[in-house]
Amino acid sequence: LAKTTQPISMDSYEGQEVNITCSHNNIATNDYITWYQQFPSQGPRFIIQGYKTKVTNEVASLFIPADRKSSTLSLPRVSLSDTAVYYCLVGAFNAGNNRKLIWGLGTSLAVNP
Amino acid sequence: DVKVTQSSRYLVKRTGEKVFLECVQDMDHENMFWYRQDPGLGLRLIYFSYDVKMKEKGDIPEGYSVSREKKERFSLILESASTNQTSMYLCASTPGQRGNNEQFFGPGTRLTVL
Repeated sequence: LAKTTQPISMDSYEGQEVNITCSHNNIATNDYITWYQQFPSQGPRFIIQGYKTKVTNEVASLFIPADRKSSTLSLPRVSLSDTAVYYCLVGAFNAGNNRKLIWGLGTSLAVNP
Repeated sequence: DVKVTQSSRYLVKRTGEKVFLECVQDMDHENMFWYRQDPGLGLRLIYFSYDVKMKEKGDIPEGYSVSREKKERFSLILESASTNQTSMYLCASTPGQRGNNEQFFGPGTRLTVL
């Protein structure tokens, strides 16, 4: 059964780079890897998505090795406001068939002053 | 900006009551989802809909039903609420593009069943 595994929690300090790794050994050919951020009492918010190699946007980078069995979300120079839960999602949503969305249980990131 | 709204932020109901949770999105998205979120269990998919009047069961559909009469609105129904349905309920929507897992979430409804 497909599974998405990520660390339960991480600690960091302001200004550091944070890397959160997600393991997805049974990833399928059509699957994408997506990361979300969630603050307390809010819905998750999309951060970044990728299929292979590296993707970068204004808030994060996503590194995916050639075998795609893991991925790493990289947050450069975190601040206190990056304290949140980060979710890894693996799958490919095709309406009607072949629907598969596998969520990780989330990584609680605490950024300290 | 995509907006997904949910009818209530907090709701308290009694065991056996019929409960309706409403979700509306304003971006003409094809797909809509209902999740529940519990501590230590992450997000679990209850139902999703890929078109008006079309629905499919997710991973934990027992005790729930859904309705999608209009494209922008997706309702979650608890026919007879039970205490084990106390949870945070999250609605999400996404466009119909293949491979696009960018979901837009509402703020959530925290439901307490007494």
